[in-house]
Amino acid sequence: SQQGEEDPQALSIQEGENATMNCSYKTSINNLQWYRQNSGRGLVHLILIRSNEREKHSGRLRVTLDTSKKSSSLLITASRAADTASYFCATDASNNTGKLIFGQGTTLQVKP
Amino acid sequence: SAVISQKPSRDICQRGTSLTIQCQVDSQVTMMFWYRQQPGQSLTLIATANQGSEATYESGFVIDKFPISRPNLTFSTLTVSNMSPEDSSIYLCSVWRGAYEQYFGPGTRLTVT
Repeated sequence: SQQGEEDPQALSIQEGENATMNCSYKTSINNLQWYRQNSGRGLVHLILIRSNEREKHSGRLRVTLDTSKKSSSLLITASRAADTASYFCATDASNNTGKLIFGQGTTLQVKP
Repeated sequence: SAVISQKPSRDICQRGTSLTIQCQVDSQVTMMFWYRQQPGQSLTLIATANQGSEATYESGFVIDKFPISRPNLTFSTLTVSNMSPEDSSIYLCSVWRGAYEQYFGPGTRLTVT
């Protein structure tokens, strides 16, 4: 079963704009991860945030985590056409066993 | 890091047949998993491939339909048995090395006609 919801399901923006995706989950987590998938290909790991962290940055990516609301957001700043992909959040199903439960995903289109 | 390869990368199969997907990792790992991604959907965990013992399946997945082998710490296979068009999906293997290290293979795109 899916852990949570992501919104929006689809997002279309112009190059240079920022893109924000949200993820909610249902159970306690050890960590939350964000992945990118291009055109149904393999997953690329973007960033991991631990349950005791509130914010994390990696290049143009900023992830926040609010465990009280069981939600996370991924911000991509200064988007590029190459950022066009599907983005998924994933949480550890239980206490750090590596079994991930994925959100529904957000499809991002960045127009040049 | 871990480099994961999967074979085949894609296949088109007839209903009623079976396909075995291979997953090879470039180093020993304890935990290996198989996921399914149906068209336009997210990923769902099928099972944990346990080395030297039977795989552990998630709710909704059974061994008769998705038998899994894990003969050693670098290799696993997933068989999709008696396929129907509903089995058309991308199948991905994943490895976990603890300490927040998780890696995915490139996936096998299966189409059942």
